[in-house]
Amino acid sequence: QVQLQESGPGLVKPSGTLSLTCVVSGDSISSSKWWTWIRQPPGKGLEWIGEIYHSGSTNYNASLKSRVTISVDKSKNQFSLRLTSVSATDTAVYYCADPPAGHWGQGTLVTVSS
Amino acid sequence: EIVLTQSPGTLSLSPGERATLSCRASQSVSSNYLAWYQQKPGQAPRILIYGASSRATGIPDRFSGSGSGTDFTLTISRLEPEDFAVYYCQQYGSSPRTFGQGTKVEIK
Repeated sequence: QVQLQESGPGLVKPSGTLSLTCVVSGDSISSSKWWTWIRQPPGKGLEWIGEIYHSGSTNYNASLKSRVTISVDKSKNQFSLRLTSVSATDTAVYYCADPPAGHWGQGTLVTVSS
Repeated sequence: EIVLTQSPGTLSLSPGERATLSCRASQSVSSNYLAWYQQKPGQAPRILIYGASSRATGIPDRFSGSGSGTDFTLTISRLEPEDFAVYYCQQYGSSPRTFGQGTKVEIK
């Protein structure tokens, strides 16, 4: 079955860069899906960060657009998130997913703190 | 950007009761591309409904979705103990693919 797995540092310093990778198994990153990053601050709701198609086409949340880059690596069947100039407000559980197909990673907590 | 407004914020019900959750969009959702998710503490969201009314694989038939355009509803016909959770709607008809703020269904 399709599985997604996030990985990356759990702690990032303020003004630093958050980098996460999502490895996809059970499906090809080149399938007809928008591969997506979503985050959830502690105790709050879901926030859509952005998405990428295997062609490299991307869409981003306008509120994060100046700081976000999502990329895809077909050779490794994975896609990645890069968020620059982070602050405490970027502390959240970060999920990768393929909505609306419904496959989500288990989520990874990233804390921004010195 | 399409803003999704869910109501009520919290729904207090007893097991066996019917739950009706609303999701209203600030503009029409293209092709009724509206999904509903259930989230329990410490878990990733689980998809329940896609395309406004299609149940995802393995979802019990007590969950049903309806609506079109700007008004959508998730109905749980008879609440089971495992249904007490937070529910989110998401539109994926246009970018950005926005989420509603969530409705918490709690035990009365």
